[in-house]
Amino acid sequence: ETGVTQSPTHLIKTRGQQVTLRCSSQSGHNTVSWYQQALGQGPQFIFQYYREEENGRGNFPPRFSGLQFPNYSSELNVNALELDDSALYLCASSDSRTGWETQYFGPGTRLLVL
Amino acid sequence: SQQGEEDPQALSIQEGENATMNCSYKTSINNLQWYRQNSGRGLVHLILIRSNEREKHSGRLRVTLDTSKKSSSLLITASRAADTASYFCATGSMFSGGYNKLIFGAGTRLAVHP
Repeated sequence: ETGVTQSPTHLIKTRGQQVTLRCSSQSGHNTVSWYQQALGQGPQFIFQYYREEENGRGNFPPRFSGLQFPNYSSELNVNALELDDSALYLCASSDSRTGWETQYFGPGTRLLVL
Repeated sequence: SQQGEEDPQALSIQEGENATMNCSYKTSINNLQWYRQNSGRGLVHLILIRSNEREKHSGRLRVTLDTSKKSSSLLITASRAADTASYFCATGSMFSGGYNKLIFGAGTRLAVHP
């Protein structure tokens, strides 16, 4: 167990809706990264939050947004859901004091968009 | 886009045999990491090797890194049925703005039969 928790574990939405996923980082970690993993593929980096600000982003449209709170927990918001957004969403926590080298992943939230 | 390419895509072996998985990548890196994923759930960090290291061991795992060939291998010795999982290599790099993201390959699906 990594100590990283995510909620909910599963979610079903319809196209056009909005969704919020939540992540609590491992104790002592100040950085949260989010990844999207489509079926049969490796995870793809969405963005990273540090000091409550987005400090890096992958090739995802602006309808993917996030927040980080003072306790380092984080949210991923996706607006105007599309069928291709169906995936496993993983958050990972890391520590800037170790250069973010190792990221510890939560169990993921599986999102199905109908 | 994915940086790493794992080879083979799938591997089936008997308990007690060794399993070798290979990973190639395209750009310069700070480190390379291997993760395990059981049944589409969260990723478990196995081992990290830095760009100035050539080999690293952890229990039954041995990782090698050849930066001149931009490749790495993961060897699992004396495999067990519990090793059945998908294995991903991920390259870690620092980007402008001071953030670190992991770029994953598509993974190798390992099946260990009793």
